[in-house]
Amino acid sequence: EVELVESGGGLVQPGGSLRLSCGGSGFTFSKYWMHWVRQGPEKGLVWVSRINSDGSSISYADSVKGRFTISRDNAKNTLYLQMNSLRAEDTAVYYCAREHYDSRSNWFDPWGQGTLVTVSS
Amino acid sequence: SYELTQPPSVSVSPGQTASITCSGDKLGDKYAYWYQQKPGQSPVLVIYQDNKRPSGIPERFSGSNSGNTATLTISGTQAMDEADYYCQTWDSSTVVFGGGTKLTVL
Repeated sequence: EVELVESGGGLVQPGGSLRLSCGGSGFTFSKYWMHWVRQGPEKGLVWVSRINSDGSSISYADSVKGRFTISRDNAKNTLYLQMNSLRAEDTAVYYCAREHYDSRSNWFDPWGQGTLVTVSS
Repeated sequence: SYELTQPPSVSVSPGQTASITCSGDKLGDKYAYWYQQKPGQSPVLVIYQDNKRPSGIPERFSGSNSGNTATLTISGTQAMDEADYYCQTWDSSTVVFGGGTKLTVL
């Protein structure tokens, strides 16, 4: 069974840091691009960042650029999101998602169960 | 930046057909994807490439995409279909989500 499991969320003060992890199993992790998507309280889905299969190509949403760093360790089948200079507006459930693909297009499947990040003093 | 617009809420009676729209400039020229999210759960893909169903998704879920509008249709809606639904597309390699639609089955 293909599965993604996030960890590392918690309560952090404004200006603080947190590192999220996402472990993949049931598939060849090193072959897939991976993404982070977040969802604020009672809000919709917002894309955060993505990394290609070998980590050589990365992109970020403007709202987190310069503060968040995505990375991966294919030997450990794990995706990371280092979050620095956290703000109240970063409070959200953070999901990792695999970018599934075929010859025509790409989509997100599956998603992890999410990890809650709360930024508050 | 590219935007996708969904109605905040849609209501449907059990057994009836629910239609959820997603609007964007020339959306029909792109692929549309739909995700279902039940309370306290993570999103689940229900439609990909406009109208394809992943394995395990009931046949009552279907999709279409033309012009500026993609539509998710649920035929014979069941109580278990009550959830938030999000459309998604790609614009110049950028991921774009719609704001989500809360489907109420009453």
